Amino acid sequence: AQKITQTQPGMFVQEKEAVTLDCTYDTSDPSYGLFWYKQPSSGEMIFLIYQGSYDQQNATEGRYSLNFQKARKSANLVISASQLGDSAMYFCAMSAGAGNMLTFGGGTRLMVKP
Amino acid sequence: SQTIHQWPATLVQPVGSPLSLECTVEGTSNPNLYWYRQAAGRGLQLLFYSVGIGQISSEVPQNLSASRPQDRQFILSSKKLLLSDSGFYLCAWSLETDPQETQYFGPGTRLLVL
Repeated sequence: AQKITQTQPGMFVQEKEAVTLDCTYDTSDPSYGLFWYKQPSSGEMIFLIYQGSYDQQNATEGRYSLNFQKARKSANLVISASQLGDSAMYFCAMSAGAGNMLTFGGGTRLMVKP
Repeated sequence: SQTIHQWPATLVQPVGSPLSLECTVEGTSNPNLYWYRQAAGRGLQLLFYSVGIGQISSEVPQNLSASRPQDRQFILSSKKLLLSDSGFYLCAWSLETDPQETQYFGPGTRLLVL
């Protein structure tokens, strides 16, 4: 069975600073994918970034980067130059095994201070 | 481009009443489709997924059911709602041809059972 753990229920960051959201995972599958989604107050889940278990380099998408440490089973999201619009819930998720099922963590609420 | 629609956006229903939530995807063919439920302040729980018309897999036993009458239509139903069915219901799609098989979510339906 797959498990995703997000240990930070809530975090504050000053506008324009960088912030790291933690995510650890557990799976016995050698092939898996790691995802980060943003959920603003409207409720829609917005895909941010993906990291495959065999990818040699850390994924980057604009201001988002994923700090993938396979041996430690961690996939932390780094947001650079935080903006007020980054305030939202952030979910880490993993797909592994047949059927592409996504297992989600409990989420981290990020609040950006002006 | 692909878009995903869900309706209704919000719903208030009495205990014991039936339920029908609809999800449709535009701009793609033969998507994998998913229904998730999110309790307040929690992560997402996968309820059902479908890899084709008439093919439904259930992840969590409950009084909900799902159907896929058309390629790009996914319906979540219940004959008699329970208080515990309250939550935020999200539909998602993915493509097997996408090596990442990223799941993209709809805007969601907020259901309150009274």
